[in-house]
Amino acid sequence: AQKITQTQPGMFVQEKEAVTLDCTYDTSDQSYGLFWYKQPSSGEMIFLIYQGSYDEQNATEGRYSLNFQKARKSANLVISASQLGDSAMYFCAMREEDTGRRALTFGSGTRLQVQP
Amino acid sequence: DTGVSQDPRHKITKRGQNVTFRCDPISEHNRLYWYRQTLGQGPEFLTYFQNEAQLEKSRLLSDRFSAERPKGSFSTLEIQRTEQGDSAMYLCASSLPIRTSGRRNEQFFGPGTRLTVL
Repeated sequence: AQKITQTQPGMFVQEKEAVTLDCTYDTSDQSYGLFWYKQPSSGEMIFLIYQGSYDEQNATEGRYSLNFQKARKSANLVISASQLGDSAMYFCAMREEDTGRRALTFGSGTRLQVQP
Repeated sequence: DTGVSQDPRHKITKRGQNVTFRCDPISEHNRLYWYRQTLGQGPEFLTYFQNEAQLEKSRLLSDRFSAERPKGSFSTLEIQRTEQGDSAMYLCASSLPIRTSGRRNEQFFGPGTRLTVL
């Protein structure tokens, strides 16, 4: 079974509107971290937001927020007020921490296109 | 620019040749990671160093692959006897000590080395 599932290969959004990118995960670890990264066409992965498994509040970083639903094992990224520069690939990732591992496991990504 | 740097940015080689890539992490970062990304997929973890110690290795890291970080600063990733299936983007990342970054300890990625094996 895939550990990180991103079911939306591509998404379109109008400029200035909000968009939600879906991510579900699978782990038996009690302690884990969830991350979202942005990868523009230039190729460099850019960290956006982090949610720890024990964090009770949803994480927010500027226009990015993470809708964390632990029981449903979902960690959706919400981008508010989309901008043309938000057009990129977005990857959800998980770090399973019970045994002290540091590796990130990534999903297959969602390509977001922001339309003027 | 004080981000993660990788060299070369592009490498074209013939099947069977050996290649070596270099990664220079952000200076105060003690952790260094290697990932491989094929077209249309997310990055896949290869290996991780804390200082000079290699602490994690993926099953993807076959015996043709070797990574080193001899002085706990830069790292090299060598692929011996390259195969066409090795064609991919090789990404390096680094992170701060947890005592500095906190539990988040996000990884900062470099621009990658794109390998093409003919």
